[in-house]
Amino acid sequence: QQQVKQSPQSLIVQKGGISIINCAYENTAFDYFPWYQQFPGKGPALLIAIRPDVSEKKEGRFTISFNKSAKQFSLHIMDSQPGDSATYFCAASMASNYQLIWGAGTKLIIKP
Amino acid sequence: DVKVTQSSRYLVKRTGEKVFLECVQDMDHENMFWYRQDPGLGLRLIYFSYDVKMKEKGDIPEGYSVSREKKERFSLILESASTNQTSMYLCASSLGGGIYHTQYFGPGTRLTVL
Repeated sequence: QQQVKQSPQSLIVQKGGISIINCAYENTAFDYFPWYQQFPGKGPALLIAIRPDVSEKKEGRFTISFNKSAKQFSLHIMDSQPGDSATYFCAASMASNYQLIWGAGTKLIIKP
Repeated sequence: DVKVTQSSRYLVKRTGEKVFLECVQDMDHENMFWYRQDPGLGLRLIYFSYDVKMKEKGDIPEGYSVSREKKERFSLILESASTNQTSMYLCASSLGGGIYHTQYFGPGTRLTVL
């Protein structure tokens, strides 16, 4: 029940296209859902996060869509650029806990 | 900006050696974490600490120990390194719970055990 399942494991998208990464969770006590971005040779860094009281959050070309009833959330990257090529991790946590529960990661490649 | 530094970017050790990985954060964060990252397995939590001298086991603590004598420093110790501990090790820190769950990561230490 503590797992966060992320798909796909890898994704290739043409420049200018939309990249979509999906995550699903079981524990309804989760109340914070961040996405982290990791470039080669670097540690992950927070990209965008959402709380379950909203269904969508947008920051520039990056959007999180959240479906509370389906217990799913997804990251959409609009107008994908080669500089977006990275590994993306979804995660979940609850206010009473210090830990993040991580998805397995998606390696995204944007082809020029 | 939060800065998390790790003592080495690359480390090569022999089987059976004692290995110390050090992590320092400069933002007075309460929580610190050690993860290992392996392809296809994502980030797996080894240990975390929510206060000085306090530690909690994560998902894969076997073969590891930790030390947090000062708030800014969190060390990961491999008592007797084995080849299956070859991995990327990431340290992170966070201010606290709730909206402060943002974890700030160091650049990682790639450890090879021969």
